[in-house]
Amino acid sequence: GEDVEQSLFLSVREGDSSVINCTYTDSSSTYLYWYKQEPGAGLQLLTYIFSNMDMKQDQRLTVLLNKKDKHLSLRIADTQTGDSAIYFCAEKREGNTPLVFGKGTRLSVIA
Amino acid sequence: NAGVTQTPKFQVLKTGQSMTLQCAQDMNHEYMSWYRQDPGMGLRLIHYSVGAGITDQGEVPNGYNVSRSTTEDFPLRLLSAAPSQTSVYFCASSFSGEYNEQFFGPGTRLTVL
Repeated sequence: GEDVEQSLFLSVREGDSSVINCTYTDSSSTYLYWYKQEPGAGLQLLTYIFSNMDMKQDQRLTVLLNKKDKHLSLRIADTQTGDSAIYFCAEKREGNTPLVFGKGTRLSVIA
Repeated sequence: NAGVTQTPKFQVLKTGQSMTLQCAQDMNHEYMSWYRQDPGMGLRLIHYSVGAGITDQGEVPNGYNVSRSTTEDFPLRLLSAAPSQTSVYFCASSFSGEYNEQFFGPGTRLTVL
């Protein structure tokens, strides 16, 4: 089954907040990441959170982590058209293991 | 730093042809990996390497070979291309350790006819 799950699509109006959700299954995960992929490009790290944190804020971005429910969310305040992209959630498990990515959420921002 | 570079950007192959996708990084990263991205499937790990001389299989290794003779380079070989290998391929690298931000290359778009 899928280790990291995300909804595939999200559409919001410009200026509204976007919330992208992710669930993961491995309680040993140490770091959780959000990557952004713009059209025709590779992935770039947007933000991350360590597993002993509940929240991390970075300008318009807020990451919330609920370890009990294994739920991660990314909130983008005042969403702009330039935020249109695919957002990937990824988890880093203990040890020298690869990141496990979700399928990505395509965010469309309507002007 | 050039970061992670991939060549070629685009490639069209006929079924049965072989080719090598190149990946190089200049950040002295121990960890390198190859992913393929298909619509609705997200990123799937093909092969990865934790250091020179060491490689391991990911989720979808069949039809692909890799080697890691140097820290910098991690080529991906398709021995006999199949239409199912039509995809966008991404190479990534990072330092080892618990926090390992992965740096991605720009991708190679491969079409197999």
